[in-house]
Amino acid sequence: GQNIDQPTEMTATEGAIVQINCTYQTSGFNGLFWYQQHAGEAPTFLSYNVLDGLEEKGRFSSFLSRSKGYSYLLLKELQMKDSASYLCAVRGGSATNKLIFGTGTLLAVQP
Amino acid sequence: DTAVSQTPKYLVTQMGNDKSIKCEQNLGHDTMYWYKQDSKKFLKIMFSYNNKELIINETVPNRFSPKSPDKAHLNLHINSLELGDSAVYFCASSQAGGGGYTFGSGTRLTVV
Repeated sequence: GQNIDQPTEMTATEGAIVQINCTYQTSGFNGLFWYQQHAGEAPTFLSYNVLDGLEEKGRFSSFLSRSKGYSYLLLKELQMKDSASYLCAVRGGSATNKLIFGTGTLLAVQP
Repeated sequence: DTAVSQTPKYLVTQMGNDKSIKCEQNLGHDTMYWYKQDSKKFLKIMFSYNNKELIINETVPNRFSPKSPDKAHLNLHINSLELGDSAVYFCASSQAGGGGYTFGSGTRLTVV
């Protein structure tokens, strides 16, 4: 079967660092994506990992360990506008480029 | 210059009606998708077309029928709407062979 797990909700303080974890079990693996979704809006692309290690992009970094079926998204210097849902998605091994999404983590940033 | 545009943004309709949602992308992508996002915010794939050919057809009631007149357009027609069809429907596109998705702004469908 295919399974992607994330915590349902997290709370953090403005200016702090937060790590959102994602574990996955899928039929094949061909990359992992993180998306941000503000309430009532479309998901927007944040990061992509296909090899093990850390990808850094400004305040956001994403890490992947394929052997552990594990990824995390790290958000630094949190701002109020970072309050959103963060979706982990895995591209499986088929040729169709299908993305399987986790249920998302709703992050609330407090002053 | 919206990359992936969906219409309508909101749709309120009665049970038993038939409705369509339209999607267009101007990114030159070969592949388009329909996803359903339920009240728990879970995004689940429904269909995918690659250059007008259906390549993904998940377990979806056959009341849902996608149509792709060309690779820039993917429409979704829903017959005999039911209360459980209420959700946000997202269209997305990507390059063939890989790449992340670009999503449309979503269509919030409410069946009453």
